[in-house]
Amino acid sequence: SQQGEEDPQALSIQEGENATMNCSYKTSINNLQWYRQNSGRGLVHLILIRSNEREKHSGRLRVTLDTSKKSSSLLITASRAADTASYFCATDAVDMRFGAGTRLTVKP
Amino acid sequence: EAGVVQSPRYKIIEKKQPVAFWCNPISGHNTLYWYRQNLGQGPELLIRYENEEAVDDSQLPKDRFSAERLKGVDSTLKIQPAELGDSAVYLCASSYAVNQPQHFGDGTRLSIL
Repeated sequence: SQQGEEDPQALSIQEGENATMNCSYKTSINNLQWYRQNSGRGLVHLILIRSNEREKHSGRLRVTLDTSKKSSSLLITASRAADTASYFCATDAVDMRFGAGTRLTVKP
Repeated sequence: EAGVVQSPRYKIIEKKQPVAFWCNPISGHNTLYWYRQNLGQGPELLIRYENEEAVDDSQLPKDRFSAERLKGVDSTLKIQPAELGDSAVYLCASSYAVNQPQHFGDGTRLSIL
């Protein structure tokens, strides 16, 4: 299995600030995915980045991937209170595994 | 398109009782996953189906957990008998194929008294 490990465990910022979360993994991958989970809800897929891509954007989200360091980062720009959630990364092992996530709190 | 539907949303039972969860995946999604999520943790894969075949159930506690996916569509996950440590949220997800983005239901929150 190829479990992603997110860092930091918790992050608290003010609305309008940027939030950066990191993910590390241990073995070779074909793709890496980021998910968001609001309290009491299921996970929602945010973005998939392939191993031959270095950066990908989706709205206010920017994901980078460094396969040499086996790490990825998720940047949320101009954060909003609605971005408050837990964020998880997962790699594309046949049996996808999730880490414990980063709990993001955006204060209005 | 309709999302992944899970029921019930909440379930409270006494220990040693049986319990079952139901999942209806997105139409056309061949891959179905059951996860268990404890408070403050990420989802833990219990079993993955490709159509009606369970292709990975290595993390499923087989002494008390069972699952089935009839006709490669709906799926049920059963616990019998339930133990106090089984209290968690049970999530179902589906995807078009393995390693593709997964779509999750909102889960069943199980409380064991």
